[in-house]
Parts: sequence; C-alpha cells; structure tokens
Amino acid sequence: DVKVTQSSRYLVKRTGEKVFLECVQDMDHENMFWYRQDPGLGLRLIYFSYDVKMKEKGDIPEGYSVSREKKERFSLILESASTNQTSMYLCASSGSPTDTQYFGPGTRLTVL
Amino acid sequence: GNSVTQMEGPVTLSEEAFLTINCTYTATGYPSLFWYVQYPGEGLQLLLKATKADDKGSNKGFEATYRKETTSFHLEKGSVQVSDSAVYFCALRELGGSQGNLIFGKGTKLSVKP
Repeated sequence: DVKVTQSSRYLVKRTGEKVFLECVQDMDHENMFWYRQDPGLGLRLIYFSYDVKMKEKGDIPEGYSVSREKKERFSLILESASTNQTSMYLCASSGSPTDTQYFGPGTRLTVL
Repeated sequence: GNSVTQMEGPVTLSEEAFLTINCTYTATGYPSLFWYVQYPGEGLQLLLKATKADDKGSNKGFEATYRKETTSFHLEKGSVQVSDSAVYFCALRELGGSQGNLIFGKGTKLSVKP
C-alpha cells in the first residue's frame, strides 16, 4: 500500500514563527502536492513538485514556499506564520500526472 | 476556468436510506472525474473515478456515472450505513492539465444516524 506520512497531526505556532511541515511518501512517486483545506472552501492547491528540486505554484502560493531535496520528501515552509494560515494542510503524491493521488492524514496547524 | 460545484451539506440520513450527492463541473476539455472521501480525523481516500463519458465508477456500494451532456458526476448509494459518515469531495482533472492537478469541490458532509 502507498503510504504518505506527515510529520505532525497537530501543530500550534505563534505569529511570525517559521514553520516547517514535512511530508514523506514511500512509493517512489514523482509528483507531490501540498493543499490546504478550509471549511466551505474545499481543498486548494498551494504548491506541487514533479521532480526533485522542481516546484510549481498552485492556486494559493502566497506566504508559502516549498523544498524538494529528495524524491520521497516534500516540505512546506511558512516563512512567517500568520493567523490566516490556520488551517488543515494535506500532502499528496502520485506516480504520474494521471495517476491517483494518495493523501496523508493531514496536519492541523493553529497560528496564535 | 475549470470548477466543480457540489451540493452543500450537511446531509443527514437514517441508516439504509438512499444517498445522492450532486456534483456538476465546468471544464474546457475532457476531464477525468473523481470522488474522494475523508473519514473523521483522516486524509482523503479515492472512492471512485471515471475517465470518459458514460463511464461508471463504483466502489463499496457507491456509484457515479460520468454524464457529459449534463456535465455531472452525481454520487449514489442505495443503502447507507453509519460507517459512511464522512465528508465527500468531487474533483476533476483535465486531460493534459498541468501536471495532473486536481480541482476539488467544497465537500459535502454526510451524517448517517442509526
């Protein structure tokens, strides 16, 4: 089975802190994605990566950056956390653009 | 642009009731269509998919038919169980779309009472 893991299930940070969210997949997938999920808004794509060291902006990249140094790991970085970044963050991976995306359990981030 | 519209919830049903969750889409090409399910405290799981018109996706008693003429992909189940309580997301991916990105609806929360 494909396994996508995220470093934390719950995280509480303060405004202005630098925040790292980590995602690891164990299926040698090329493509990895970061979404945020908010009530009434569904899932929105923040960034995605289709290869090591490659990244593309999604629909809402402002305030975020990403890092993909190794194929299995995709990190989401909040350079200076703000309260409007309080959300559920979901990571996903897929073997190719047309393959099924497999999701991690999510990280619920609260910024105080 | 591409978009997905699904019925707003929450939807509350009694066990063994019939379920329909409506989903319609707007796309410039010929998308693949998906239903994902999110059980409480978990990430999203693919429930079913259809890649071309008139395809029917099915899994765990759920079904959805890709209707190009009505641009719809409604989710149905004949007899729901308490364990089906979850949030359901309709999504599309346009063929040839940038790196296979999914566009999601806002989600519909289903609660099934015993």
